[in-house]
Amino acid sequence: EAGVTQSPTHLIKTRGQQVTLRCSPISGHTSVYWYQQALGLGLQFLLWYDEGEERNRGNFPPRFSGRQFPNYSSELNVNALELEDSALYLCASSLAGRRNQPQHFGDGTRLSIL
Amino acid sequence: DQQVKQNSPSLSVQEGRISILNCDYTNSMFDYFLWYKKYPAEGPTFLISISSIKDKNEDGRFTVFLNKSAKHLSLHIVPSQPGDSAVYFCAASPGGYQKVTFGIGTKLQVIP
Repeated sequence: EAGVTQSPTHLIKTRGQQVTLRCSPISGHTSVYWYQQALGLGLQFLLWYDEGEERNRGNFPPRFSGRQFPNYSSELNVNALELEDSALYLCASSLAGRRNQPQHFGDGTRLSIL
Repeated sequence: DQQVKQNSPSLSVQEGRISILNCDYTNSMFDYFLWYKKYPAEGPTFLISISSIKDKNEDGRFTVFLNKSAKHLSLHIVPSQPGDSAVYFCAASPGGYQKVTFGIGTKLQVIP
């Protein structure tokens, strides 16, 4: 069974630019989650998508947005990049609609802002 | 406000001995708890979970204990192996399929 896949693995951008990160969930999983892990910090919840809709969002500014496609893959978009956006961005997926289902993670996209 | 706290940033244990990683939480709405392991340059890997209706869950060398009254959980690894050296994240959620809150992690080093 293929795991959660994310692309690209690494990305370098400059301040003010925009970036799109991509995620494909495990087959059969309909919920997709995005997290940010900045250096020295834990995983911070960004967004949760299920059945194409945003279900919850963390304490991040509106320039962080995303969407989920009919095949349940997802994109995370970050506009007007700032230096503090440099981080590892992790995507996770889980079975939706069932309690107590663990989220399974991809290996992340390392975003560096110069 | 850190709702899931891992107060030990690092832990060193001899191979073959027990590793005990601790976690405290403050949100009474949390009823599903998880442990993840993370190697450098990889995403977190799910290890074991426990729901609030239980106080213990075992999976091979890994056992998680939950003390709801103290809002405390721990992960025991017995026996510890060098391959267990990684960062361990404690996580919690209200129901499991919702937003998961993570601790900042504890780096475990198992010394051969």
